[in-house]
Amino acid sequence: DVVVTQTPLSLSVTPGQPASISCKTSQSLLHSDGKTYLYWYLQKPGQSPQLLIYETSNRFSGVPDRFIGSGSGTDFTLKISRVEAEDVGVYYCMQSIQLYTFGQGTKLEIK
Amino acid sequence: QVQLVESGGGVVQPGRSLRLSCAASGFTFSNHAMHWVRQAPGKGLEWVAAISTDGTNRYSADSVKGRFTISRDNAKNTLYLEMNSLRGEDTAVYYCARVFYWGQGTLVTVSS
Repeated sequence: DVVVTQTPLSLSVTPGQPASISCKTSQSLLHSDGKTYLYWYLQKPGQSPQLLIYETSNRFSGVPDRFIGSGSGTDFTLKISRVEAEDVGVYYCMQSIQLYTFGQGTKLEIK
Repeated sequence: QVQLVESGGGVVQPGRSLRLSCAASGFTFSNHAMHWVRQAPGKGLEWVAAISTDGTNRYSADSVKGRFTISRDNAKNTLYLEMNSLRGEDTAVYYCARVFYWGQGTLVTVSS
């Protein structure tokens, strides 16, 4: 099974400041098709998870460009260049190279 | 637009059964593998089960293996999760999901 380790578990950020979340996997997410199957979701309070980033670095439709996904192999990062109040919630990374496994979640709060 | 609408949740006693449904629309359902993911109250996301496009390949988490069965009816654009021998630790919101889209979830509460 692919183990996904996400850090930190919580973040408190001043609006306009950057934020960064790390996601590490126990095996490479690089598939033979050349794609790397790592995704980032945001679950806002009371809602279902919504996709932000797919295949490591591609923003989903309608996602603001302040959300930036990067990484390769087993090491990935989600950066928010300037946090806004609407970004509060829990962020999850997920791998799908071998079924699904989720990170533990990172709760983002506004200072 | 893509819609996934779960139904069938509720309160059930330990040891009993429940069947969840997920009605899909806005995309070609038969072209996509589908998953069930759950979230216990105040906890993170846990993958539960997956099924291939034609239903021939099915996978489930160790925590539900032998108790939960995923299935699909491509003619009805519907995904199912048959849950047997339910336990208190199965209490969660159950989401029907593709990678890009998730339903709003249905709450299953296992309690006597």
